[in-house]
Amino acid sequence: QKEVEQDPGPLSVPEGAIVSLNCTYSNSAFQYFMWYRQYSRKGPELLMYTYSSGNKEDGRFTAQVDKSSKYISLFIRDSQPSDSATYLCAIRSGNQFYFGTGTSLTVIP
Amino acid sequence: KAGVTQTPRYLIKTRGQQVTLSCSPISGHRSVSWYQQTPGQGLQFLFEYFSETQRNKGNFPGRFSGRQFSNSRSEMNVSTLELGDSALYLCASSAGLVSYNEQFFGPGTRLTVL
Repeated sequence: QKEVEQDPGPLSVPEGAIVSLNCTYSNSAFQYFMWYRQYSRKGPELLMYTYSSGNKEDGRFTAQVDKSSKYISLFIRDSQPSDSATYLCAIRSGNQFYFGTGTSLTVIP
Repeated sequence: KAGVTQTPRYLIKTRGQQVTLSCSPISGHRSVSWYQQTPGQGLQFLFEYFSETQRNKGNFPGRFSGRQFSNSRSEMNVSTLELGDSALYLCASSAGLVSYNEQFFGPGTRLTVL
């Protein structure tokens, strides 16, 4: 079993929609959770990170962690065409990073 | 401040050859990590270098090696290339050990093995 599992999509939504991106993880000891965004022909860039269960909000983005279910989510409100990218969830455990395979998102104007 | 740069951006090699990829971190950053990205496996950690020493290593065969120079620039080498080594190789730099600092990724080197 992989440490992090992520639905690859692709996901296509109309502009203004709420987007939900999800990952599950295997090790209940994991504590540090991140979301990266990767545009075509670019490296990933950190969007959000959180240490604990619950929600963390940053503008139109909300990261949610449910440790009891080992489930992490990223919500994008009022999605824009500029949000079209691949979104990667990631977990850091000590000095090891585990990444999901990424979900490709297209926001249609 | 300039970002992480990687050279070359694209590379085509044949099986059995070897390849060297280069990464220049953000000025002042001392940690460089390398990752392999493929559609099926996603992003997989190769190794991290800090102050010219390998601090952490992922589960890759010994054909994958790296080094870091005194100016923090890093190189990654893959010997005896296999078809499965075709991937995007990403380098990321951070101010200190990646365990405690945000890492910034370069655009990657796209390696194709024929």
